Amino acid sequence: AQTVTQSQPEMSVQEAETVTLSCTYDTSESDYYLFWYKQPPSRQMILVIRQEAYKQQNATENRFSVNFQKAAKSFSLKISDSQLGDAAMYFCAYRYNYGGSQGNLIFGKGTKLSVKP
Amino acid sequence: DVKVTQSSRYLVKRTGEKVFLECVQDMDHENMFWYRQDPGLGLRLIYFSYDVKMKEKGDIPEGYSVSREKKERFSLILESASTNQTSMYLCASTLWGQGKSYTFGSGTRLTVV
Repeated sequence: AQTVTQSQPEMSVQEAETVTLSCTYDTSESDYYLFWYKQPPSRQMILVIRQEAYKQQNATENRFSVNFQKAAKSFSLKISDSQLGDAAMYFCAYRYNYGGSQGNLIFGKGTKLSVKP
Repeated sequence: DVKVTQSSRYLVKRTGEKVFLECVQDMDHENMFWYRQDPGLGLRLIYFSYDVKMKEKGDIPEGYSVSREKKERFSLILESASTNQTSMYLCASTLWGQGKSYTFGSGTRLTVV
């Protein structure tokens, strides 16, 4: 069964600095997608970034980028120039590209990011 | 703006009550999900549905049931609420297709006293 592990329950970063959140996953499949979601205190889960396993190029969305290491099954999120609004729970998630329940999202347990002014 | 709407942001119910949590999406998504979120445990899947009147158990279905009579609406039912069901409940929906992301509601924080 696929699993997603976030080894850092909590992280802290100074405003304007860079922070990296770790995520590893376990799968025997080759066709899948990886996601990072952000959940601020408002509780609304927001998609931050998405990576297709077949694409070697790391995804980037403004200040958010990933380091996707397929062989190592690692998918870390880098936040550059951290802002106070980045403070949130961050969830890493995996989705096998297949119909049915095997294609459901699988979440890690989350990393709580604090941003210090 | 497309969205998933959960009918209540906060609910307080008594032990033994029958509780309905409603979720509506306006995106014509086939797939809908109910998650429970607890500190340190992340998101755990309770039930999901791929089509009207279809439902499948997730990882923690005990004590819950669901109903999907219309494509846009997916209800979570606590048949007899217990204090260990005090939690945050999140609804989500998605389309079939390669790597589609989920769209989430803003959650219902349920307290059972």
